[in-house]
Amino acid sequence: SSELTQDPAVSVALGQTVRITCQGDSLRSYYASWYQQKPGQAPILVIYGKNNRPSGIPDRISGSSSGNTASLTITGAQAEDEADYYCNSRDSSGNHVVFGGGTKVTVL
Amino acid sequence: QVQLQESGPGLVKPSQTLSLTCTVSGDSISNGNYWWSWIRQPPGKGLEWIGYISHSGSTYYNPSLTSRVAISVDTSKNQFSLRLSSVTAADTAVYYCARDNWSYAASWFGPWGQGTLVTVSS
Repeated sequence: SSELTQDPAVSVALGQTVRITCQGDSLRSYYASWYQQKPGQAPILVIYGKNNRPSGIPDRISGSSSGNTASLTITGAQAEDEADYYCNSRDSSGNHVVFGGGTKVTVL
Repeated sequence: QVQLQESGPGLVKPSQTLSLTCTVSGDSISNGNYWWSWIRQPPGKGLEWIGYISHSGSTYYNPSLTSRVAISVDTSKNQFSLRLSSVTAADTAVYYCARDNWSYAASWFGPWGQGTLVTVSS
């Protein structure tokens, strides 16, 4: 399969921890990368590779992977973490790219 | 600091060809370390990868779009371009260009352009 599956929406209380998952066969071969998108803005990269954060991304955001599932964890969620989060990876062929459908994170 | 900027018409008629250009600054497409991608997002929907191109002109496209899409590169202008033919209302979207980075078992997009909305309507 060349698809990545994400839950459509999750909510988290301010200061609590939330984990977003991304499932797909290609994740057995490739790490997922994760993007945060706020309304009206372009996506920004938040996690890539095994668990790498670009400069400026807070360390409360982390990534992990097991089998066909990649996870993004926000530890101590802040109001500014409210956004849509997308995962992506190469597909099983390695030549094409697939995105998950996105998860809307609401901070209560 | 690497920056990407999309440009092109914001309105395209049905059945015509959508054409966009991405201008890269702060990095040279010719250095060969990256692939250069187009990604789109219909209003209120998720991200869809369209395709990417290498500095030498090698391309890969989303299988669902391959019959209508062409991506080209002009290293002299440090630009790459998208052409999508026979457009319909379903092609209305914000179109982003982005740099595709890769290493062992991983690839990721960054930076991204700000995106440009293309509406398909008569």
